[in-house]
Amino acid sequence: DIQMTQSPSSLSASVGDRVTITCRASQGITSYLNWYQHQPGKAPRLLIYAASNVPSGVPSRFSGSRSGSAYGTDFTLTINSLQPEDFATYYCQQSYSYPYSFGQGTKLEIK
Amino acid sequence: QVQLVQSGAEVKKPGASVKLSCQTSGYTFSDYEIHWLRQAPGQGPEWMGLINPKSGDKNYAHTFQGRVTMTRDTSISSAYMALSSLRFDDTAVYYCARARVYDSNGYYLYYFDYWGQGALVTVSS
Repeated sequence: DIQMTQSPSSLSASVGDRVTITCRASQGITSYLNWYQHQPGKAPRLLIYAASNVPSGVPSRFSGSRSGSAYGTDFTLTINSLQPEDFATYYCQQSYSYPYSFGQGTKLEIK
Repeated sequence: QVQLVQSGAEVKKPGASVKLSCQTSGYTFSDYEIHWLRQAPGQGPEWMGLINPKSGDKNYAHTFQGRVTMTRDTSISSAYMALSSLRFDDTAVYYCARARVYDSNGYYLYYFDYWGQGALVTVSS
């Protein structure tokens, strides 16, 4: 099974800041990586699919990228100019192989 | 608009079974896989498995093999997930999610574009 490790596990930032969350896969997953935002009491929301694609309706301040080896083990979610509604928990998820797996989450809190 | 509406919260005793439903609308049910996931308090989501509404094919996470059963009723565009032999650590919010496929030069990546609102299952004696 593929393990997904996120860092940091929590992060404090202010409105207007730029933040970066990283996700590492235990083996190469090419670009089979998605990011979700989860706010308490709500269903998770898709932010990024296939490492860097932003679905329609997601603000352009959210972006994703892949780095590291050609096999794809390291990924980044960047949020530019944080807005109050962005304070939530973020998860990466691999869909390279079953069982699909998620990172443990990064909780983004207001400083 | 696409909607996935789940059944309500359940409280079960250890050893019992639970069956959750996921009623979909706003799209052609048979065109998209339905996946089930759960999230225990303080943890990330955990993938449980999927059902292909068109074929009925299923794929279960090995963690749940023997305890989980996923079914669907295409006549009412609904999917179901039953979990048996419940344990205290099965307490979680359970979600159904629609999986959409992204075709990138022959590589097919799946992602969850719509989710149900979640159903809390509490296992308590």
